[in-house]
Amino acid sequence: DAGVIQSPRHEVTEMGQEVTLRCKPISGHDYLFWYRQTMMRGLELLIYFNNNVPIDDSGMPEDRFSAKMPNASFSTLKIQPSEPRDSAVYFCASSLGPPSYNEQFFGPGTRLTVL
Amino acid sequence: QKEVEQNSGPLSVPEGAIASLNCTYSDRGSQSFFWYRQYSGKSPELIMFIYSNGDKEDGRFTAQLNKASQYVSLLIRDSQPSDSATYLCAVGQGGSYIPTFGRGTSLIVHP
Repeated sequence: DAGVIQSPRHEVTEMGQEVTLRCKPISGHDYLFWYRQTMMRGLELLIYFNNNVPIDDSGMPEDRFSAKMPNASFSTLKIQPSEPRDSAVYFCASSLGPPSYNEQFFGPGTRLTVL
Repeated sequence: QKEVEQNSGPLSVPEGAIASLNCTYSDRGSQSFFWYRQYSGKSPELIMFIYSNGDKEDGRFTAQLNKASQYVSLLIRDSQPSDSATYLCAVGQGGSYIPTFGRGTSLIVHP
């Protein structure tokens, strides 16, 4: 398996534009997680899914952020409209089960820059 | 507001020694505790998870919880230069896997 795949790896956009980040989890993994990391705020877990269903989105910072998982092999994190303070590295991770029992596999991240 | 505090370090230990990383948390109702490792410029890795009911050992790594004093520790035995990384502590409440993260402690293991 190729591991968790994220695209794009780098994204530069202008304030106000819509940004869509994509993630393909490892086949067979039931859990998917979206993280964000910045120098100012550190690492944050934004939302996680179990069997394509969002379980907890309490980490999502604002209504401008939305995440979907239309099927077991694809998830998106959308920011609309984007703002400079959204600049960060966004990580996607997947696991066979909840973190208490299973290892989490992280993707390489998407570095987002909002000008 | 829930807070998780870590000494930013760097914590420097010689190869073969025990590295002790600590994390304090403010929310007494916290029940889940995570340790992540992140090498410079790389993605994080979840390396340990414990519930509030017990410690956990996994190879050279041991996570210990002191609920009375509200801190959680990560011990790395027989430290290796490859253990040099930033270690992030995260603390969650109840059954949620949405934790609050500390800012991390930089560990340097020197030969």
